[in-house]
Amino acid sequence: IVMTQSPATLSVSPGERATLSCRASESVSRNLAWYQQKPGQAPRLLIYGASTTATGIPGRFSGSGSGTEFTLTISSLQSEDVAVYYCQQYHNWPPATFGQGTKVEIK
Amino acid sequence: QVQMVESGGGVVQPGKSLRLSCVASGFALTSHAMHWIRQAPGKGLEWVAVISSDEIIKMSSDAVKGRFTISRDTSRNTVYLQMNSLRGEDTALYFCARDANEGTGHFDFWGQGTLVTVSS
Repeated sequence: IVMTQSPATLSVSPGERATLSCRASESVSRNLAWYQQKPGQAPRLLIYGASTTATGIPGRFSGSGSGTEFTLTISSLQSEDVAVYYCQQYHNWPPATFGQGTKVEIK
Repeated sequence: QVQMVESGGGVVQPGKSLRLSCVASGFALTSHAMHWIRQAPGKGLEWVAVISSDEIIKMSSDAVKGRFTISRDTSRNTVYLQMNSLRGEDTALYFCARDANEGTGHFDFWGQGTLVTVSS
């Protein structure tokens, strides 16, 4: 299953909403996770089951979607949210497959 | 708390071998599947291999099948990745990641990674 993320880079002003998209080449139901990777760090699980927030993740992060279309929303962008965000399907694995990532930067 | 620490990376010539280790703490390997995931320099994430919580299932990606082998030692709470016949395209940061359960296919904790460079 091929995962495609858009846009490649997203520039958002502090306090504004950031909306990231992820599309699967076939239905993955709700077996979709989102990860955040800050520079020089390992990825961190944000969302699983398409919309369930992982432990310790701030409430400004939310996920939605099912089937082939998914969205990660950061409701009010903070400076510490600068990172690359990856979606990953686990509906039909192995292999688990990732999108190519969306880089979020501050405008 | 849950933690994984990888080691064993380094610079190796094409065709040679390397064994990576991932020491886990804060949980038992018998309760979670474990994965290796890699990231080539400046690139995205690529799943490499999985070992199930009962050690029965061991699988790897097509890119490494027949060359890489995943294993574990529960007495040491350590997961290994034996990498043989290394190629330039295997150059990457290799992460050890815990499955969120016994085989969900998504990853709730990650180590910091160990860098493998394949170069002559």
